[in-house]
Amino acid sequence: DGGITQSPKYLFRKEGQNVTLSCEQNLNHDAMYWYRQDPGQGLRLIYYSQIVNDFQKGDIAEGYSVSREKKESFPLTVTSAQKNPTAFYLCASSRVGGTEAFFGQGTRLTVV
Amino acid sequence: SQQGEEDPQALSIQEGENATMNCSYKTSINNLQWYRQNSGRGLVHLILIRSNEREKHSGRLRVTLDTSKKSSSLLITASRAADTASYFCATVPNNAGNMLTFGGGTRLMVKP
Repeated sequence: DGGITQSPKYLFRKEGQNVTLSCEQNLNHDAMYWYRQDPGQGLRLIYYSQIVNDFQKGDIAEGYSVSREKKESFPLTVTSAQKNPTAFYLCASSRVGGTEAFFGQGTRLTVV
Repeated sequence: SQQGEEDPQALSIQEGENATMNCSYKTSINNLQWYRQNSGRGLVHLILIRSNEREKHSGRLRVTLDTSKKSSSLLITASRAADTASYFCATVPNNAGNMLTFGGGTRLMVKP
């Protein structure tokens, strides 16, 4: 069953903690993305990667970090430097060349 | 900064009516895509239109693109209650690699 999987679905973080959101795809896509969505808003690009071991900052990269050690995996770490991390996080993947993107079901992060 | 902006932000119609959503963007693009999001879920790709295309159809969906005005529209004909969702346009700018950027979305409610 091909697809893109995000985990966990819900995540709670204490202030000052780093947390890592998982994103795995078995679609053999080279490009992967992380977006943040606040309630009633659109998607804002955090980071994207077009190839293993390479990634670029999006519009709101501050307070976030990523790695791309494997083609299938693109984990996002929300660091303590991100002052307002409560949001819905979406991961996506696509073939290189600006084709359609496939999305995971999202991770809802709440700071407690 | 977001590349695309949708209009209207919210739209409420009766079942059977047509729904039209508009998207404007800022820079020249490789292609423009429309996505649908049910509440609290990931996005699903609906249709992609390339910069050298003016109109595209897929079932009850019709998309137009006017590159001179940097705008696109999505028409859903004969709407159904199941079409209730948020709809987003996304652009792949020229000279931006694979970077897929989204607008703020239109929240569509179709009343039975």
